[in-house]
Amino acid sequence: GAGVSQSPSNKVTEKGKDVELRCDPISGHTALYWYRQSLGQGLEFLIYFQGNSAPDKSGLPSDRFSAERTGGSVSTLTIQRTQQEDSAVYLCASSLALRGGWNFGPGTRLTVT
Amino acid sequence: RKEVEQDPGPFNVPEGATVAFNCTYSNSASQSFFWYRQDCRKEPKLLMSVYSSGNEDGRFTAQLNRASQYISLLIRDSKLSDSATYLCVVNGRDDKIIFGKGTRLHILP
Repeated sequence: GAGVSQSPSNKVTEKGKDVELRCDPISGHTALYWYRQSLGQGLEFLIYFQGNSAPDKSGLPSDRFSAERTGGSVSTLTIQRTQQEDSAVYLCASSLALRGGWNFGPGTRLTVT
Repeated sequence: RKEVEQDPGPFNVPEGATVAFNCTYSNSASQSFFWYRQDCRKEPKLLMSVYSSGNEDGRFTAQLNRASQYISLLIRDSKLSDSATYLCVVNGRDDKIIFGKGTRLHILP
């Protein structure tokens, strides 16, 4: 596909369960960012990757959150022992370079019940 | 001071009017600036980059003021379809991209 894709588009999970969110960036884009957005709120930075490296993990809210990127392409954001406050839309964006314009995926809407 | 600040609005503007809003940033070393548009329950989409000399794209004009550390977006002849939240994006320390919380714009018929 031509754009950034994310899966699943919607995820409902019970409190305490683990979830994995996937991002497929645009082919050739080396920079990849994860954000989350709660209803009516701004974008909250989580983590970014340059290639497979994550120079800045400072935005991850707690040690229940982790992310990896393999082959400079697909990235997975994992949330362990989900809490209700984790409910949000998780957005992934990719770019050719860190300073380029960003292309966003459609997001994964996570609801923790 | 927050890294990127925007007036949250909402700006309620009649159709056909001109509207402008600013975004201030704290990191004087920032090099890249963008305006994104986000419609309700949709992902942000790139509206335009902001260049040092200012740039225009149709009805939209973006400007950068490095001395005062702000960027601006001006929309002329506003359309109902311009109603959205406009996000200011600046690259911060260590190339971290920082989004403002957005300015909500409502174009009134």
